[in-house]
Amino acid sequence: DAKTTQPNSMESNEEEPVHLPCNHSTISGTDYIHWYRQLPSQGPEYVIHGLTSNVNNRMASLAIAEDRKSSTLILHRATLRDAAVYYCILRDELLRGSSNTGKLIFGQGTTLQVKP
Amino acid sequence: DAGITQSPRHKVTETGTPVTLRCHQTENHRYMYWYRQDPGHGLRLIHYSYGVKDTDKGEVSDGYSVSRSKTEDFLLTLESATSSQTSVYFCAISGGGYRGTEAFFGQGTRLTVV
Repeated sequence: DAKTTQPNSMESNEEEPVHLPCNHSTISGTDYIHWYRQLPSQGPEYVIHGLTSNVNNRMASLAIAEDRKSSTLILHRATLRDAAVYYCILRDELLRGSSNTGKLIFGQGTTLQVKP
Repeated sequence: DAGITQSPRHKVTETGTPVTLRCHQTENHRYMYWYRQDPGHGLRLIHYSYGVKDTDKGEVSDGYSVSRSKTEDFLLTLESATSSQTSVYFCAISGGGYRGTEAFFGQGTRLTVV
């Protein structure tokens, strides 16, 4: 299974942008890059995902390096509610017939602290 | 909210007894997953299913078995519960394919083995 590497923790000030990095140097051509976050005492929730191009949604932006070996989750204006553990995950979507397709394995993630 | 329900939400059981946790979905999604999360740790994949009757082991499958006889239900069984299996268990569902669809998580089941 492809691995991701994230910093253990990061801090941000409220209302400032946050850039959460993720390295995935062994990514394969059929891996999508997914980001999830887990708020305290809750189950994980989906944030964003992408394959090659940068992606934007109402929660965040995902910037993917041209060689796809790294990506960055961007929270444009951090709020106190964004304090959570953020997980970067590679998920094989396209390798038909493989039992690995769709497997979703979480790493340790980055704990984001947001200071008022 | 995605239609995913875990039952029971809380359970206390004795060591050595069998326990079954149920995950039910109304989304007709292909993939279903069982995870455990221990205090201060991330989620660890126990088993997952990529179709009816198609399951595979995850990272921490010892002591657990699963079954998926229909699309909407994915059962996790602890054949003989041990104290080390005290944890919060999360079920997740996901579509798949070219859209690389996101996973939705249940509310979790807190299992205590005494």
